[in-house]
Amino acid sequence: VMTQSPASLSVSPGDKATLSCRASQSVSNNLAWYQQKPGQAPRLLIHGTSTRATGVPDRFSGSGSGTDFTLTISSLQSEDFAVYYCQQYNDPPRTFGQGTRVEI
Amino acid sequence: QVQLVQSGPEVKKPGSSVKVSCKTSGGPFNIHLVSWVRQAPGQGLEWMGGTIPIFHTADYARKFKDRVTITADESTNTAYMELIDVRSEDTAVYYCTRDPLGGRDYTNYIDYWGPGTLVTVSS
Repeated sequence: VMTQSPASLSVSPGDKATLSCRASQSVSNNLAWYQQKPGQAPRLLIHGTSTRATGVPDRFSGSGSGTDFTLTISSLQSEDFAVYYCQQYNDPPRTFGQGTRVEI
Repeated sequence: QVQLVQSGPEVKKPGSSVKVSCKTSGGPFNIHLVSWVRQAPGQGLEWMGGTIPIFHTADYARKFKDRVTITADESTNTAYMELIDVRSEDTAVYYCTRDPLGGRDYTNYIDYWGPGTLVTVSS
């Protein structure tokens, strides 16, 4: 089970945002993060805990291992307000967290 | 550029079936795991199952095992998800997704997502 916190986060543009994802058992470094904007499909941000996907700005960074993971957005831009999901792919079936909404 | 193009929205009566298609282009089709992930209104993401077309095999999440069939047609680079005996709780957006190579046991992260197909179940 993947548990994300907080459920929602109110921040201002330019602020730093820290999102957490906790696994009920170790998933090694097999952890991905996705961003989803309203009415759109999710988009891959990070895989392997900390590897940014192609085209993802370097203000997004991932860290952690085992059961505790963090997505950090160093300086929020207007386009970053969205819902963020973590997903483990260490043990089948892959499972997602319930999401963290980042809002203004 | 990999693209996944899904079929249009569906409205179904409870107890009926729905079949959603996903045509891929821009990259090899049959060697990647193609999965279906659904998202109920205002809810999170739920993996339903997937197939690797070249192996003609599929795996399903336990919750959906009795009601979902995922298939692929290599000649048209198209994957399909059929859900039978639909109920109101199946109202959701259904996403076709593709994994990069290198996963195991039908699990990996997702590098490409289709735009989603809204399936509404209503009497």
